[in-house]
Amino acid sequence: DIQMTQSPSSLSASVGDRVTITCQASQDISNYLNWYQQKPGKAPKLLIYDASNLETGVPSRFSGSGSGTDFTFTISSLQPEDIATYYCQQYDNPITFGQGTRLEIK
Amino acid sequence: EVQLVESGGGLVKPGRSLRLSCTASGFTFGDYAMSWFRQAPGKGLEWVGFIRSKAYGGTTEYAASVKGRFTISRDDSKSIAYLQMNSLKTEDTAVYYCTRARYGDYETFDYWGQGTLVTVSS
Repeated sequence: DIQMTQSPSSLSASVGDRVTITCQASQDISNYLNWYQQKPGKAPKLLIYDASNLETGVPSRFSGSGSGTDFTFTISSLQPEDIATYYCQQYDNPITFGQGTRLEIK
Repeated sequence: EVQLVESGGGLVKPGRSLRLSCTASGFTFGDYAMSWFRQAPGKGLEWVGFIRSKAYGGTTEYAASVKGRFTISRDDSKSIAYLQMNSLKTEDTAVYYCTRARYGDYETFDYWGQGTLVTVSS
């Protein structure tokens, strides 16, 4: 199975900060990567699909980039409602996730 | 409005079986692949398996950790997806989520249910 190494595992930032999370695949997965947000006690929510496409209705401060083995997820200006755990998910069979990044407000 | 509602979770002894249901509404259920995920307490997300739409053969795929023990099926006439779990182990304890794959896809998941907790314990 493809291993996804997500970093950092936790992150503390201030409102308005630019936040970056990375995900590295153990082998080339082209752009077969999605990003999800999970707030405490809630189901995950799709934010970015195919590495860089913003899901409908998701604020434009969220973005994704990368291909091959290295991917980046960015929040351009952190908002209080962005407090959550973020996961990358690859779908070059079988489906696997990164271990998650817990984002907190400083 | 798309809604997915899981049911059937609860406490079950190791070695026993349990069937989860996912009742869908707000979209043409038969046109979409459906998938199940789980999340052990305090842990990350794990894919369990999916079932393609009938247009794509209605075939299934499973994670290695559940293959041979879990079975996903669907009843398009009722808009319900099922997860039959047999030979349950303590490590199957988790919140189980039903999801819908994006149209024409089966690997990107745009709607998730609220989850149902399965606890496997003696």
